[in-house]
Amino acid sequence: AQSVTQLGSHVSVSEGALVLLRCNYSSSVPPYLFWYVQYPNQGLQLLLKYTTGATLVKGINGFEAEFKKSETSFHLTKPSAHMSDAAEYFCAVSERSSGSARQLTFGSGTQLTVLP
Amino acid sequence: NAGVTQTPKFQVLKTGQSMTLQCAQDMNHEYMSWYRQDPGMGLRLIHYSVGAGITDQGEVPNGYNVSRSTTEDFPLRLLSAAPSQTSVYFCASSYGGGSYNEQFFGPGTRLTVL
Repeated sequence: AQSVTQLGSHVSVSEGALVLLRCNYSSSVPPYLFWYVQYPNQGLQLLLKYTTGATLVKGINGFEAEFKKSETSFHLTKPSAHMSDAAEYFCAVSERSSGSARQLTFGSGTQLTVLP
Repeated sequence: NAGVTQTPKFQVLKTGQSMTLQCAQDMNHEYMSWYRQDPGMGLRLIHYSVGAGITDQGEVPNGYNVSRSTTEDFPLRLLSAAPSQTSVYFCASSYGGGSYNEQFFGPGTRLTVL
C-alpha cells in the first residue's frame, strides 16, 4: 500500500524567504505525484503534478517541485514567499497501474504561515 | 461552469439522525469521490464512482452510503449520524481515464454531530 509523509505540520517563513515543504512517499512503484493547496474555508485546488518526463515540475503561483526517485521525495518550493501563499498544502499520490480507479492518497498536510 | 457544488455548507445533526450531503458537477466528469477531512489526518476517501451506476468503497466507508444515478450527481448519505462523523466533507470529480488526472474539489460541507 502506498503512503505519504509530510514532514512538519506547521511551517513559518518570512515574506520574501524561500518556501520548502517536504513530501516523501512509500510505494513499490513510483506513483503519480501531486501537490494541492487549500485556502481557508475553501476546497482543494491543484498546484502541480508529476506524471512522467522532466522531474522538475512547475506549477501555479511560482511553485515548483522536483521528483527524486532515489530519495522517494517530491518537495515543494517557492523562491520568495508572499503573504497570499498562507494556506494548507497537501501532497498526494496515486498508483500508476492501468486498473487504478484514480484514488488519491493524501499526506496529513502542512500549514504554511507567512510572516510580514 | 459552476464546477463542483456541494450543499449544505454547514449542518448540525443529533446522534442517530440521518441526512444526505449533495454533490453535483457540470463538467461531464466520469469519476466522482467523497473525502472527509479531519485535523492532522489529511483527506481520507469514503466512497467513489467511476461512472453512473458504479460505486465502490474507499478507505473509510462505514456509516455512509452512496449512489450514482446520473453523471452529474453523487450524494452521500449518513445513515445514523455519530459524533465520530463530525468532519468536513469534500466531493471531487475528475475527467477521463488514468490516475494522473486532476481532481476538482467542491467547497466542502462542515458537519457537526452532537
